[in-house]
Amino acid sequence: AQRVTQPEKLLSVFKGAPVELKCNYSYSGSPELFWYVQYSRQRLQLLLRHISRESIKGFTADLNKGETSFHLKKPFAQEEDSAMYYCALSQGGSEKLVFGKGMKLTVNP
Amino acid sequence: GAGVSQSPSNKVTEKGKDVELRCDPISGHTALYWYRQSLGQGLEFLIYFQGNSAPDKSGLPSDRFSAERTGGSVSTLTIQRTQQEDSAVYLCASSRTGEDTIYFGEGSWLTVV
Repeated sequence: AQRVTQPEKLLSVFKGAPVELKCNYSYSGSPELFWYVQYSRQRLQLLLRHISRESIKGFTADLNKGETSFHLKKPFAQEEDSAMYYCALSQGGSEKLVFGKGMKLTVNP
Repeated sequence: GAGVSQSPSNKVTEKGKDVELRCDPISGHTALYWYRQSLGQGLEFLIYFQGNSAPDKSGLPSDRFSAERTGGSVSTLTIQRTQQEDSAVYLCASSRTGEDTIYFGEGSWLTVV
């Protein structure tokens, strides 16, 4: 069965510090991995997907099939990065998106 | 409209009553999803529609939950005989196809008292 694990619920850092939001998954096939973000009082939105291999708002994420991980990283956090972050997985070609429980990132001034 | 629209945005209902939550997807989006967001539980998949059919209903928590979609557009999620544990934010999302980026609505906040 597909499963997404975000082991930490909360992360608090100071502005300018590096951040890493961890995500591990279990799936036997070829997964597609995503990070979604929900800023305060805004709707959930796509941040990035692994197949795009792009950096969005300074965030990057690399799919590591050996470690079954898709950690989200940013070298220098900004206050506007404070939000809830959700890692998600879908089966390649399938429609169902399975989410982790989310992690709240707070970036302090 | 420009985005996924959900109504009502907030609903308080008494235990045992039925509720209907509505979702208006982005025009032209054939895929529609319902998720439930609870404190500490993340996003729980409920049901997925492709057009008017629901190939995946595996996430519906009980037979009190049902959903339909008509005309390949608007969808209604119905919860019968609501219980307090049904209190959550119910999120609707849509995408052009099943493999495209998913866009979420703002959610319907349901409180069962």
